[in-house]
Amino acid sequence: AQSVTQPDIHITVSEGASLELRCNYSYGATPYLFWYVQSPGQGLQLLLKYFSGDTLVQGIKGFEAEFKRSQSSFNLRKPSVHWSDAAEYFCAVHNTDKLIFGTGTRLQVFP
Amino acid sequence: DTEVTQTPKHLVMGMTNKKSLKCEQHMGHRAMYWYKQKAKKPPELMFVYSYEKLSINESVPSRFSPECPNSSLLNLHLHALQPEDSALYLCASSHTSSSYEQYFGPGTRLTVT
Repeated sequence: AQSVTQPDIHITVSEGASLELRCNYSYGATPYLFWYVQSPGQGLQLLLKYFSGDTLVQGIKGFEAEFKRSQSSFNLRKPSVHWSDAAEYFCAVHNTDKLIFGTGTRLQVFP
Repeated sequence: DTEVTQTPKHLVMGMTNKKSLKCEQHMGHRAMYWYKQKAKKPPELMFVYSYEKLSINESVPSRFSPECPNSSLLNLHLHALQPEDSALYLCASSHTSSSYEQYFGPGTRLTVT
């Protein structure tokens, strides 16, 4: 069955530091992958997506992600984190009319 | 307009009440979704409507009753809920059900007392 794993439940970084959030997927065919961000009590906002083509995708708010088929990974990165980036981040894969979400990674940013 | 709106933002209801959640989008999307999200968990799919017809029901209890009156509007009717149904209810839409991008609303925070 298709699944998404986010190994890190909680990550803490200092403002201005770089960030990498990990995502691994299990999917037989070419996956359609997403990263969403959710601030407390809010809905989900799409950060970026990968369907095909260039394996390095750029998103909003300075985020990027790299698709690595050999590692079944789609890690999210940002070179310099801002305090406003503190939120919950979900990786997801699309499968048969559904989005399958990972369990999420909570990002905490210290000044 | 790339917005999905949901009303109300917050709802408190007793176990014998009947209430409804409303979701609206004006992006011309033909698929709409209801998700339930508990604290510190990912969203769980409840229902999918495609071209105003229910296409997926993820074995949701009958005390949750979805309705899609037209292509822009999605309702979730609630009756005889349990305290464990307290959660954030998210609505989403996409061009079609096989479209990959879903756009989410801000959610309704439901508390069942």
